[in-house]
Amino acid sequence: EVQLVESGGNLVQPGGSLRLSCAASGFSFTNYWMSWVRQAPGKGLEWVANIKGDESASYQVDSVKGRFSISRDNTKNSLYLQMNSLRAEDTAIYYCTRVRDSNDVSDYWGQGTLVTVSS
Amino acid sequence: EIVLTQSPATLSLSPGERATLSCRASQSVSTYLAWYQQKPGQAPRLLIYDASNRATGIPARFSGSGSGTDFTLTISSLEPEDFAVYYCQHRKGFGPGTKVDFK
Repeated sequence: EVQLVESGGNLVQPGGSLRLSCAASGFSFTNYWMSWVRQAPGKGLEWVANIKGDESASYQVDSVKGRFSISRDNTKNSLYLQMNSLRAEDTAIYYCTRVRDSNDVSDYWGQGTLVTVSS
Repeated sequence: EIVLTQSPATLSLSPGERATLSCRASQSVSTYLAWYQQKPGQAPRLLIYDASNRATGIPARFSGSGSGTDFTLTISSLEPEDFAVYYCQHRKGFGPGTKVDFK
C-alpha cells in the first residue's frame, strides 16, 4: 500500500524558515517523480515543486524560486521541502504527492501538513 | 501559460441526479487533463487522468471526456459521498474548482 506521511508543519514568523518532510512507503521511491502541492485556507490547489527520481532535475513555481528548495533522500525514501524567507502568503496545507507520469498527474497524496506564517 | 477555468462554480444537486462539470483550457492541452475530488478535511484524490482514464479504484459512475480545450467530468448518478469539490489539472496548473453540494 502506497503511503505518504508529511511532517514539519508549524507556526513560523515572516522571514523564518521551515523544513517539511515526507516519508514514502509501499512503492519503489526512486522510480517516481515526487511533488509538493499546497492549498491556502479555503482556496484551491497550487503546484509548488517537483523532483525527478534520480534527483537530476527539479522545478519550482515562480513565486517560490530562490526561497524554497526541493530535495530527496532515496536511501531513506524521503522527500523534503526547505522553505526560507517565508511570507504570509505561504500559509497553506502542504501535500506531498507521487507523480504518476510526465504530465504531473499526482496519483497518491499525503494527508498534508499545515504551515502558518504569522507574527 | 495555460489557464484552466471551471464551471459552474457550484452545482446544487440531489443524490441520484447526474452531475456534469466543465473544465476549459485557454489553449489546447490535447488530452493531458486530470480530475481530482476533494472532500472537506481530506487530501485530493485522483479520479481521471488523460481526460478519460479512471484511476485505480474509481467507480464507473465517474467518467471523463473531451480533448483540446473543452473537457467534462460526469458523475452518472450522485451518491452521498460524491458531494465534494472537483478540480481539473493540466501539468502544473489547476482549475479553481467546482463544488457539488446538496440541493
